[in-house]
Amino acid sequence: QSVLTQPPSVSGAPGQRVTISCTGSSSNIGAGYDVHWYQHLPGTAPKVLIYGNSNRPTGVPDRFSGSKSGTSASLAISGLQAEDEADYYCQSYDSSLSGTQVFGTGTKVTVL
Amino acid sequence: EVQLVQSGAEVKKPGESLKISCKGSGYSFSSYWIGWVRQMPGKGLEWMGIIYPGDSDTRNSPSFQGQVTISAAKSISTAYLQWSSLKASDTAMYYCARLGSGVASYIDSWGQGTLVTVSS
Repeated sequence: QSVLTQPPSVSGAPGQRVTISCTGSSSNIGAGYDVHWYQHLPGTAPKVLIYGNSNRPTGVPDRFSGSKSGTSASLAISGLQAEDEADYYCQSYDSSLSGTQVFGTGTKVTVL
Repeated sequence: EVQLVQSGAEVKKPGESLKISCKGSGYSFSSYWIGWVRQMPGKGLEWMGIIYPGDSDTRNSPSFQGQVTISAAKSISTAYLQWSSLKASDTAMYYCARLGSGVASYIDSWGQGTLVTVSS
């Protein structure tokens, strides 16, 4: 049972901007722990898109951006491209879960 | 280059035991948390638990407490995920993953995944 809630799906036309929310609580995001975002394509290992709330690893396009406020975080994808169609997950640390990590429920991004 | 290489796919029967592995290379294995992530067919990623190979500090997610055993052998840079009695519901892809820096960090390296199929 995930404690980070994401919308099941979002969609947009090529070139549009979409956002994915990640809602947590006072024991994870609200406690100040960082939020990280991953892209997961079928048959491959997930790939980090955003770490530490808003940082992009080398090689990740600047079309991807992250933010955090209070008990929530968001991932924005601008200039949506066909190759962005994938599952996206947020991740944070939760002090109430035996001191371990937790993933969001996951969001399927569909490019129309 | 940091690499995590997992053991191969497994097909087991309900009630059987299983231990899958994840071998790290290209870094100091003892100094980074390693976690296990489950993805059941058609479902999302679930964090199972983490271990710090340096001192074997292990933390299981509540949903997996008592269901699996996470261990590590730092002398051979290998982490393990073990079941004593598999169920059909354990059928899933399992990934090992390295946390970049500290227990609250992000995953900076993933294994390729081990597919476990449990069927009578």
